[in-house]
Amino acid sequence: GDSVTQMEGPVTLSEEAFLTINCTYTATGYPSLFWYVQYPGEGLQLLLKATKADDKGSNKGFEATYRKETTSFHLEKGSVQVSDSAVYFCALSEGNAGGTSYGKLTFGQGTILTVHP
Amino acid sequence: EADIYQTPRYLVIGTGKKITLECSQTMGHDKMYWYQQDPGMELHLIHYSYGVNSTEKGDLSSESTVSRIRTEHFPLTLESARPSHTSQYLCASSVRDRTHEQYFGPGTRLTVT
Repeated sequence: GDSVTQMEGPVTLSEEAFLTINCTYTATGYPSLFWYVQYPGEGLQLLLKATKADDKGSNKGFEATYRKETTSFHLEKGSVQVSDSAVYFCALSEGNAGGTSYGKLTFGQGTILTVHP
Repeated sequence: EADIYQTPRYLVIGTGKKITLECSQTMGHDKMYWYQQDPGMELHLIHYSYGVNSTEKGDLSSESTVSRIRTEHFPLTLESARPSHTSQYLCASSVRDRTHEQYFGPGTRLTVT
């Protein structure tokens, strides 16, 4: 079945450092890929998405490129801020199967990011 | 901004009590989901629905039940709460398109004593 593997955390960085959180996946069909962020005490918020190979999703300075050849969707940010401290989840949707879209997401295990001033 | 609501946000309840966690969305989404999030942060799909009168069990077996009588409402019920049910419960909904992007509510943190 589909699966997502994320870089293990926690990740601790100083403000303005470069961030990479690795994400690789296994899937059949043509999934969409997502990064979600969860701030303390809140639900998940969509950070960015990519729906086909070579697409780049970007938002709030974060970027990720859908790499089908390496089955990866690594999250990057050039200069992190204290306010970026949160848990980050990589996820993929089920690809279409025989024309039926089920809409389920498969999540990675989450990566805790802490940014110090 | 997605409009999906969960109540209560926090609930502490004794063993054996019946509880219902509410989830509502105002976006007209057909698909809705319930996830259980363990302390290690991992998310487990426990129920989902494709529309009114449609409910399916998710990947993680759960003693909870759900109903979908109205498009906007997807409550989750535990008939007899136990300490093992202590967790964060997240509700989500999604549009009917090929991306399957899901919008999440703020969650309910349940503690069973």
